[in-house]
Amino acid sequence: EPEVTQTPSHQVTQMGQEVILRCVPISNHLYFYWYRQILGQKVEFLVSFYNNEISEKSEIFDDQFSVERPDGSNFTLKIRSTKLEDSAMYFCASTGYPSNQPQHFGDGTRLSIL
Amino acid sequence: DQQVKQNSPSLSVQEGRISILNCDYTNSMFDYFLWYKKYPAEGPTFLISISSIKDKNEDGRFTVFLNKSAKHLSLHIVPSQPGDSAVYFCAAFSGNTGKLIFGQGTTLQVKP
Repeated sequence: EPEVTQTPSHQVTQMGQEVILRCVPISNHLYFYWYRQILGQKVEFLVSFYNNEISEKSEIFDDQFSVERPDGSNFTLKIRSTKLEDSAMYFCASTGYPSNQPQHFGDGTRLSIL
Repeated sequence: DQQVKQNSPSLSVQEGRISILNCDYTNSMFDYFLWYKKYPAEGPTFLISISSIKDKNEDGRFTVFLNKSAKHLSLHIVPSQPGDSAVYFCAAFSGNTGKLIFGQGTTLQVKP
């Protein structure tokens, strides 16, 4: 069964550094998402992306965050200047058309900010 | 964001018995409700969903019930198996935003 893959599985970064989290969504999917889960808290929506542009973003997704689909397969989340509170599990998800199909999640990247 | 709530952080049942996981929501505009299962060090895995216009959906051992008047849904697993032990997340989907809103999760333990 096709999978969403995320790399790296664990990223350790110094506060203030830039970090890029990478995702390869399922190949025929059209809608892409990032979610995060801070330890002990809910999984929360960050951003959705369709047709090469952001379609929805949460309050968390401020100017420090950006997303990109640089080629036909990768979907990246960049955090420009990381803060301690950015430490979390980051999950990428994708779904096909129509967008109300279930979203399929990767196994996540654990981001640790020191 | 308290739009989706799972009030039971944990549930323990015997193998072979029924597991019932509950979820409440506040926004009557959600289009779909989904259940995801999550093992440690893995991402959420889709289990079953229900449209807001239905009241029941069944898939093998898993059945989801939706009570719109009470803004409540439940996931029934019968018979429960030890491999069902995981964290179960209820999530609500809105077609307007395309995002999932998750509950806090319920940890299910199925004892042999």
